[in-house]
Amino acid sequence: DAMVIQNPRYQVTQFGKPVTLSCSQTLNHNVMYWYQQKSSQAPKLLFHYYDKDFNNEADTPDNFQSRRPNTSFCFLDIRSPGLGDAAMYLCATSPRQGVTFFGPGTRLTVL
Amino acid sequence: DAKTTQPPSMDCAEGRAANLPCNHSTISGNEYVYWYRQIHSQGPQYIIHGLKNNETNEMASLIITEDRKSSTLILPHATLRDTAVYYCIVRTGANNLFFGTGTRLTVIP
Repeated sequence: DAMVIQNPRYQVTQFGKPVTLSCSQTLNHNVMYWYQQKSSQAPKLLFHYYDKDFNNEADTPDNFQSRRPNTSFCFLDIRSPGLGDAAMYLCATSPRQGVTFFGPGTRLTVL
Repeated sequence: DAKTTQPPSMDCAEGRAANLPCNHSTISGNEYVYWYRQIHSQGPQYIIHGLKNNETNEMASLIITEDRKSSTLILPHATLRDTAVYYCIVRTGANNLFFGTGTRLTVIP
């Protein structure tokens, strides 16, 4: 029944070592989002894809990139993780108009 | 999207109704009121949304004032599993979700 799937649930990387987080969906939704949530803070939108169109939030650092090879999958690439990038990363999907559904998140630790 | 104001924290006794308020005085005519909650270390969970009319589903009820400047989420019989951060968000149907600081609800045994 899982609708928005994130793998892995926990990821450890080293300072400066590129890391990729994965998200897949079984809902066939047009829109996929990536949010960053740091400890004790609300989720913060990084970017989203509307079908194949990429939309970056103005304050998202260049260190964060994303790929959406098809409708079902979306990836978050962190090119050179810093200690400040340790956070929960949440993937979400929605239809063109309607409810947004979230995955369980991937908790990233940077050593 | 319009901003929302919520109390930072609330307590509720187990089995009682939890009433979570939200102010959205600058809401536009085409903006919906959405409620999500986030249990510790999990992804946000959709609860309910509405435009003008009151709404009810299996999880909660949403009461929207006639002028739409405020709303209340009601959990009719709170359980310990309802302890979470509750986010009230206003958005058009097609816009992105932007989270405010939310209300931390603690259900007390």
